[in-house]
Amino acid sequence: ELKVEQNPLFLSMQEGKNYTIYCNYSTTSDRLYWYRQDPGKSLESLFVLLSNGAVKQEGRLMASLDTKARLSTLHITAAVHDLSATYFCAVGPANSGGSNYKLTFGKGTLLTVNP
Amino acid sequence: DGGITQSPKYLFRKEGQNVTLSCEQNLNHDAMYWYRQDPGQGLRLIYYSQIVNDFQKGDIAEGYSVSREKKESFPLTVTSAQKNPTAFYLCASSRTGFGNEQFFGPGTRLTVL
Repeated sequence: ELKVEQNPLFLSMQEGKNYTIYCNYSTTSDRLYWYRQDPGKSLESLFVLLSNGAVKQEGRLMASLDTKARLSTLHITAAVHDLSATYFCAVGPANSGGSNYKLTFGKGTLLTVNP
Repeated sequence: DGGITQSPKYLFRKEGQNVTLSCEQNLNHDAMYWYRQDPGQGLRLIYYSQIVNDFQKGDIAEGYSVSREKKESFPLTVTSAQKNPTAFYLCASSRTGFGNEQFFGPGTRLTVL
């Protein structure tokens, strides 16, 4: 059974600081997704990582994937208040072909950026 | 604009009642999904459908039912057999094929009175 663990679950940071959220998973995977959720809202897709060593960047966020270590990171650079949200990683098991249904979500990291 | 709509936004149910949550998409996606989110938790898959007239149970299907009569629509019924239905329900859709991400609707918050 695929298990996904995010660390930390709660993160309070000051504006301008850097930090990293970690997503560890327990079995071989060939797809990993990062989502953002604002309070009471839906999930917004941030990054899709499909190969070992994949790195994607958008603004102050950068995501990477190390399939050998079964680890993805979401790095925040020079945080601003607008980044305050809950961030989820979701992992799909390897060799599930074209089926995208079988995603296991982490519990999410609640990020609060303080002025 | 293409997207996913869910209705209603808020729903209140008395114990013993069945309720149906609507999900419609105009993204021309073949696959659709229903998730449940509880406070402080990730999402858990209830049902999914990869094609019209076909659907499969997810991890927590007990007490729920779905239909997929049209490509655009995937309604979820929360039955009285679901013992703890108060939660935030999210519908999603995606293209089939490797790696396509799921896009989510705005959600329905169901509260049992």
